[in-house]
Amino acid sequence: NAGVTQTPKFRILKIGQSMTLQCAQDMNHNYMYWYRQDPGMGLKLIYYSVGAGITDKGEVPNGYNVSRSTTEDFPLRLELAAPSQTSVYFCASSSDRTDTQYFGPGTRLTVL
Amino acid sequence: EDQVTQSPEALRLQEGESSSLNCSYTVSGLRGLFWYRQDPGKGPEFLFTLYSAGEEKEKERLKATLTKKESFLHITAPKPEDSATYLCAAVSGGSYIPTFGRGTSLIVHP
Repeated sequence: NAGVTQTPKFRILKIGQSMTLQCAQDMNHNYMYWYRQDPGMGLKLIYYSVGAGITDKGEVPNGYNVSRSTTEDFPLRLELAAPSQTSVYFCASSSDRTDTQYFGPGTRLTVL
Repeated sequence: EDQVTQSPEALRLQEGESSSLNCSYTVSGLRGLFWYRQDPGKGPEFLFTLYSAGEEKEKERLKATLTKKESFLHITAPKPEDSATYLCAAVSGGSYIPTFGRGTSLIVHP
């Protein structure tokens, strides 16, 4: 099992550009999550999904969009990138909402 | 509002010097308390889940305990390879959304 994979590992964007962060898991988990982690801060939940076709907002959803068309994939879309979106983004999955979350390796995004 | 506070922010230990990390939580109806280890440049890696007060779990030099207000991660005779950031997260019964603490950065000197 590859677990949770994320692409790209690094990306530099200019202000106003858009991009999609990819996340895939091969554990057949229903629950998937997107977090951002800023230096010295904990993980902040952006969006989560409880299954294909079902998504909901987390703590910091503004400036982001998600979709979940399959169990395996949960892409995160950034529209009109802003410097405040410079962060490390982690995708995670779990089999149940109170179960262990398995994290991907992260995407380091810089917006200049 | 659910809150998770970890202390200390940073901890430096000599190899073999045992200590504890604290995670205080305020959530409505705790459903699970999680400990993760995060190495620099990597995603968090699961260590333990605790579900009820009084529960304890161990793995090598690590032992996690849970009370109704806080959890401790005890590190016995740490080694330099235990150096990492340790994250605590609580899942509430109200939202089922995990709330993470800011983490404790542990450095173990040889």
